Amino acid sequence: QVQLQESGPGLVKPSQTLSLTCTVSGGSIISGSYYWSWVRQHPGKGPEWIGHIYYSGITYQNPSLKSRLTITVDTSKNQFSLKLTSVTAADTAVYYCARLPVGAYPIDFWGQGTLVTVSS
Amino acid sequence: DIQMTQSPSTLSASVGDRVTLTCRASQTISNWLAWYQQKPGKAPKLLIYKASNLESGVPARFSGSGSGTDFTLTISSLQPDDFATYYCQHYYSYPWTFGQGTTVEVK
Repeated sequence: QVQLQESGPGLVKPSQTLSLTCTVSGGSIISGSYYWSWVRQHPGKGPEWIGHIYYSGITYQNPSLKSRLTITVDTSKNQFSLKLTSVTAADTAVYYCARLPVGAYPIDFWGQGTLVTVSS
Repeated sequence: DIQMTQSPSTLSASVGDRVTLTCRASQTISNWLAWYQQKPGKAPKLLIYKASNLESGVPARFSGSGSGTDFTLTISSLQPDDFATYYCQHYYSYPWTFGQGTTVEVK
């Protein structure tokens, strides 16, 4: 049974960089059957798709974040990561990592999520 | 970006009721639509994909329909575990977007 676990600071100062890592257990990130995704959810709002990455490094990113966003994969650690630069209070949200089957499917499994607050 | 609009925002219902939630896309998305259920403090859970396909392990009282721009999620007989917020999401083109949610609450 796959498990996804987000990790990273829960508090980030404005203008700094938000960095999160998702550790995949119970399955290999290089299986080739999945993309690995990031989604965030502002308090009381619907989720917002951030982007996803294949184990080869191919990424698809939300244009609204693309200038500040980097998604990477570390196959040796079975992890993938998100970096968001120049954060503001508008980036305060619960950040989820998730699994996306290859092919015409939606995200089918999510991590538990981690709250990141941007505040001085 | 394709906008997803859900209605109603809140739906009050009782156990055993048949409930229908609606999702409308701002342009055609064929049938590339998913429905998720989310409970407070938890991650979303996939219920329906490709508009009408039931995800493995999801009770058969959930069903989805629609294509193009108009979609529905129906719960045939509401159970206590079904009180939650439901989101639709398109995956027709990037960026993928979600609706704002419909909360099913106890009447």
